[in-house]
Amino acid sequence: NAGVMQNPRHLVRRRGQEARLRCSPMKGHSHVYWYRQLPEEGLKFMVYLQKENIIDESGMPKERFSAEFPKEGPSILRIQQVVRGDSAAYFCASSPLFPKDSASYEQYFGPGTRLTVT
Amino acid sequence: AQTVTQSQPEMSVQEAETVTLSCTYDTSESNYYLFWYKQPPSRQMILVIRQEAYKQQNATENRFSVNFQKAAKSFSLKISDSQLGDTAMYFCAFMKWGGGAQKLVFGQGTRLTINP
Repeated sequence: NAGVMQNPRHLVRRRGQEARLRCSPMKGHSHVYWYRQLPEEGLKFMVYLQKENIIDESGMPKERFSAEFPKEGPSILRIQQVVRGDSAAYFCASSPLFPKDSASYEQYFGPGTRLTVT
Repeated sequence: AQTVTQSQPEMSVQEAETVTLSCTYDTSESNYYLFWYKQPPSRQMILVIRQEAYKQQNATENRFSVNFQKAAKSFSLKISDSQLGDTAMYFCAFMKWGGGAQKLVFGQGTRLTINP
């Protein structure tokens, strides 16, 4: 069973460009979460999506950031007009739609995408 | 809103020693989960151990165990017989229970170094 996949692993963008980060959840998982980790800090929740629905976006910056999880294909985190402060590691995690037990609430993390804005 | 605090930014011990990492949290919820995640230099987040708040028994996973004190809102991680491969950042995390999957709230992390 393949784990959570993220690509690219490393992304370099100049200020003002757009960044698109992709996440494919584990097979059978329909919940996707995005977290951001600034240097030397813990992970901060950004957004929680199910297929075709944004459930909780309380951690998303109000401007320039958007996320989607279409019926087909990976979840996309999009950052428009990137600035140096967007440089961070972005992690995606997934969990099952119908948790069978407490272990099913666990979130399985991808390897992350390190975004560098120059 | 929930908060998680890890008061030890860095710790260092010798191989084979026992080390305890501290974590406290603040919440008004009565049902929740607590987790410890490990992040080695590869940056991959690895689940170490999980505790359900309704369980009084402390969780254990091989060399890893927790001391869960619900009234004190404390959740420390003990690593016994530490190994070089335990060197990593360790994050404590909180998840509210119920209503389906929920977001994780992480602490700031503790950088643990195991010395040979």
